Amino acid sequence: DTVLTQSPALAVSPGERVTISCRASESVSTLMHWYQQKPGQQPKLLIYKASNLASGVPARFSGSGSGTDFTFTIDPVEADDIATYYCHQSWNSPYTFGAGTKLELK
Amino acid sequence: QVQLKESGPGLVQPSQTLSLTCTVSGFSLTSNSVHWVRQPPGKGLEWVGAIWSGGSTDYNSALKSRLSISRDTSKSQVFLKMNSLQTEDTAIYFCTRMRLYYFDYWGQGVMVTVSS
Repeated sequence: DTVLTQSPALAVSPGERVTISCRASESVSTLMHWYQQKPGQQPKLLIYKASNLASGVPARFSGSGSGTDFTFTIDPVEADDIATYYCHQSWNSPYTFGAGTKLELK
Repeated sequence: QVQLKESGPGLVQPSQTLSLTCTVSGFSLTSNSVHWVRQPPGKGLEWVGAIWSGGSTDYNSALKSRLSISRDTSKSQVFLKMNSLQTEDTAIYFCTRMRLYYFDYWGQGVMVTVSS
């Protein structure tokens, strides 16, 4: 299975720029996607195919990468962005998710 | 608009069979695939399996021997059946639509607890 390794938890202040990394154990081309999950809610798609902003998602969110190395950026961070972020690959079966990166307030 | 809603029992006894239903609206099951993803309490997301628009299925290899996914297109419903449940299967079970290569809409999830 393709293992996705994400940044550990990060502490941020509103207004800062934050970058979350996701490294795949094998190439996933550009089929990497990012989701936001708040407590008690379902995941929400933010970025698809590495760098494409999902409908209705603010431009503060962005993504980049290909192959095995991907990054997800929020700039600037807002208080409402405090959540857990997951990367997800759909190039190799079975589809897999990263363990999640929890953003916390400083 | 696109909606997915999971339903099923909240409590299942160990070794018994779990049956969940995902009822969808706003799109056709013959045009889109529907996947199941689960999340144990306090943990991350795990892809469980899928039924594709043509009706074929794919399963997580770790669960394949216990898992069956089917659908009733006339009722816009997708079914998950998992047998021989253990406490490790306690999780929130989500159904989600795959558009091209990513999950664009998710249900709210249903909590399933495996306990006697």
